[in-house]
Amino acid sequence: DGGITQSPKYLFRKEGQNVTLSCEQNLNHDAMYWYRQDPGQGLRLIYYSQIVNDFQKGDIAEGYSVSREKKESFPLTVTSAQKNPTAFYLCASSMNGGTGSYGYTFGSGTRLTVV
Amino acid sequence: SQQGEEDPQALSIQEGENATMNCSYKTSINNLQWYRQNSGRGLVHLILIRSNEREKHSGRLRVTLDTSKKSSSLLITASRAADTASYFCATDVSPGRRALTFGSGTRLQVQP
Repeated sequence: DGGITQSPKYLFRKEGQNVTLSCEQNLNHDAMYWYRQDPGQGLRLIYYSQIVNDFQKGDIAEGYSVSREKKESFPLTVTSAQKNPTAFYLCASSMNGGTGSYGYTFGSGTRLTVV
Repeated sequence: SQQGEEDPQALSIQEGENATMNCSYKTSINNLQWYRQNSGRGLVHLILIRSNEREKHSGRLRVTLDTSKKSSSLLITASRAADTASYFCATDVSPGRRALTFGSGTRLQVQP
């Protein structure tokens, strides 16, 4: 079955530690996205990528980094520079080069907690 | 920036009733989309309405779009307990920004 997989489902980060969230899709979608969701809030855009080896900053990119070396994969690293990383992280993908004309497919999310 | 703002923030109704959620946005759009999120899960795409469309239906869902007022509404008819979820609108303003901007969501509770 085609879909988008995020792992791990739960992740705990110590102060000063970098962690990487995985996002893999087998939908042959060109574009991929990372959003952050805080409790009771909407989604805020962190980074997005329309094609391999290219990505753009979203509204809250500070303290995060991404790579897009393969079409199927768009990992997100939460660095120690991100002072308040506790949140629910959602990865999504879409066809049509990122215009959103066909809607997004979302993964099931990673819940990151700082301990 | 939050392009879309949903209203109300929370809504509680009885099974069988209709639920209406509204979304307002600030800039011109290519299309507006509605998504559903069950607690602790990813979002699911429900329906997309383009800027040149005024109304669209999908099963028990009805979406309207008024570009002059920069607003949209989502109507769920004959609601069921399984419709309990958060509903988000999202706007596409590409090519200027080639990613959707999501609103703050409406939490819908359908009482059995």
